[in-house]
Amino acid sequence: IAGITQAPTSQILAAGRRMTLRCTQDMRHNAMYWYRQDLGLGLRLIHYSNTAGTTGKGEVPDGYSVSRANTDDFPLTLASAVPSQTSVYFCASSDQVGQPQHFGDGTRLSIL
Amino acid sequence: SQQGEEDPQALSIQEGENATMNCSYKTSINNLQWYRQNSGRGLVHLILIRSNEREKHSGRLRVTLDTSKKSSSLLITASRAADTASYFCATDGNNQGGKLIFGQGTELSVKP
Repeated sequence: IAGITQAPTSQILAAGRRMTLRCTQDMRHNAMYWYRQDLGLGLRLIHYSNTAGTTGKGEVPDGYSVSRANTDDFPLTLASAVPSQTSVYFCASSDQVGQPQHFGDGTRLSIL
Repeated sequence: SQQGEEDPQALSIQEGENATMNCSYKTSINNLQWYRQNSGRGLVHLILIRSNEREKHSGRLRVTLDTSKKSSSLLITASRAADTASYFCATDGNNQGGKLIFGQGTELSVKP
């Protein structure tokens, strides 16, 4: 593993199902982030974690939850998926908040 | 609302020409960052310019920052077909707790 690994790379999901997107980093970065990218809307922050054990809400947190049990992992859970959550999801990390972020290659999620 | 807004939304040039992209933002910042995204991939950090800096260079990239106008520009000199990508600015605002806010990006196409 080098950098940020996201899984799965793509997924088609029925509405109402629960889904967890996985994100792992091997850079020992303190901060981690989840974004969604939608055409015409750019990247929007869903949730973030400044350090292991802490999380915070971003711009569009509704319908999503995260946990940060350790430094390396930052999973994003959709408790009950809805079609408006169809998007490309990116996980990112940075050594400290405000510093350059390293991104994974995204998870393309379609909710039907 | 988006902190950073890029202009133009799309730019098409010939190989060898220079490409200039602009970013405007609304509030005071600690730093401004530029990222690149190739199709189907995650964002890659290019350059960070601090609020007390006016210009920064990295290879063929030149970034300027005018805090009085709340604007930044990214210049790519002697462009190559491989520079074809989307380019995003992101601001680390004074009151954002270290979270970056991304603009909607400029889609650059460099024709061989």
